[in-house]
Amino acid sequence: ELKVEQNPLFLSMQEGKNYTIYCNYSTTSDRLYWYRQDPGKSLESLFVLLSNGAVKQEGRLMASLDTKARLSTLHITAAVHDLSATYFCGAPGGSRLTFGEGTQLTVNP
Amino acid sequence: EPEVTQTPSHQVTQMGQEVILRCVPISNHLYFYWYRQILGQKVEFLVSFYNNEISEKSEIFDDQFSVERPDGSNFTLKIRSTKLEDSAMYFCASSEGGGAEAFFGQGTRLTVV
Repeated sequence: ELKVEQNPLFLSMQEGKNYTIYCNYSTTSDRLYWYRQDPGKSLESLFVLLSNGAVKQEGRLMASLDTKARLSTLHITAAVHDLSATYFCGAPGGSRLTFGEGTQLTVNP
Repeated sequence: EPEVTQTPSHQVTQMGQEVILRCVPISNHLYFYWYRQILGQKVEFLVSFYNNEISEKSEIFDDQFSVERPDGSNFTLKIRSTKLEDSAMYFCASSEGGGAEAFFGQGTRLTVV
């Protein structure tokens, strides 16, 4: 059974700081997805990582994938309040996506 | 931009009652999914549907649950006899292929009382 683990689960950071969220998954996969969820809202697709070494950047967020290590990272650069949300990574297995527990990010002024 | 739409946005039902949650996936997508999220918890896979049949289901998706594609556009999740623990946000999603990037609807918040 595919297991996906994220850490940290809770992250409180100050505006302007940098931090990295980690996503480990238990089986071989050449793809990994990152989603953002605002409170009471749906999941919004952020990044699609389709191969080993893939790196995608959007604004202050950058995601990478190392399929050999079964690890993906979501790096936050110079955080701003608008980035406060819960971030989920999802790994495919069969026809499903299995999600991590989510990282609840709070960016404080 | 194409999107997945779900109705209703919120449903309150009494324990033991049947509920049907409705979804319209993105029109050229081939795989359809239901996920659920209990308040404050992770997003859990329930079922995937392809070519008019269940492709995969989780242990949560027991005999109380069923899915159907009654016409060319709708995709439904039925819970036959709701329990208190079925209270959750239910998300429908669709994708072009199995395990591909999934696009999620806005969710139906189900409250069982």
